[in-house]
Amino acid sequence: DQQVKQNSPSLSVQEGRISILNCDYTNSMFDYFLWYKKYPAEGPTFLISISSIKDKNEDGRFTVFLNKSAKHLSLHIVPSQPGDSAVYFCAARYSGGSEKLVFGKGTKLTVNP
Amino acid sequence: NAGVTQTPKFRILKIGQSMTLQCTQDMNHNYMYWYRQDPGMGLKLIYYSVGAGITDKGEVPNGYNVSRSTTEDFPLRLELAAPSQTSVYFCASSYDGGLLSGEQYFGPGTRLTVT
Repeated sequence: DQQVKQNSPSLSVQEGRISILNCDYTNSMFDYFLWYKKYPAEGPTFLISISSIKDKNEDGRFTVFLNKSAKHLSLHIVPSQPGDSAVYFCAARYSGGSEKLVFGKGTKLTVNP
Repeated sequence: NAGVTQTPKFRILKIGQSMTLQCTQDMNHNYMYWYRQDPGMGLKLIYYSVGAGITDKGEVPNGYNVSRSTTEDFPLRLELAAPSQTSVYFCASSYDGGLLSGEQYFGPGTRLTVT
């Protein structure tokens, strides 16, 4: 049973516009949520995270929003650039120090010039 | 500072063969992890280690073994390869287990095919 869901396998946007990637989760025991970016033939790289006690975290062009009541988070990229084209994974960490991450299936973002 | 390195990059195994996937990190991280990624799927945790001499199972440990004799190295052993183990394997590490944010650093992956 998937605890972290990314329901959109792919997303295509124009350069300069906003990209919004969505993620839903089912387990209330998650205490941190993370976004990773992955290029082909490379390992995932950490992008941005948010604690479960916050509702927004911003880092440059990237902003993550968390809606705990809806068990939903989203990653906003503004403005989108062609170099942002990659697969984006949403991940969640169990509270209590287990250090395990649960990953969604990923969303492939394509930013068209 | 090479970060997390993995060898080999690619490998083809016959059913029943054994092999060890190597993982080394030079960041003095305490925590290390092994994941597998099947096509169209997210990463699934196989095993993890919180320090030298300590390992624990993740979500999909069957068919694999690990050891952690040093802080730097965390090899993954496949004893009797099966087609279901065809996947891309990623090793990752984190300094404090991600007590602040859960951030893990990943290697480039090993693409394994079992035929």
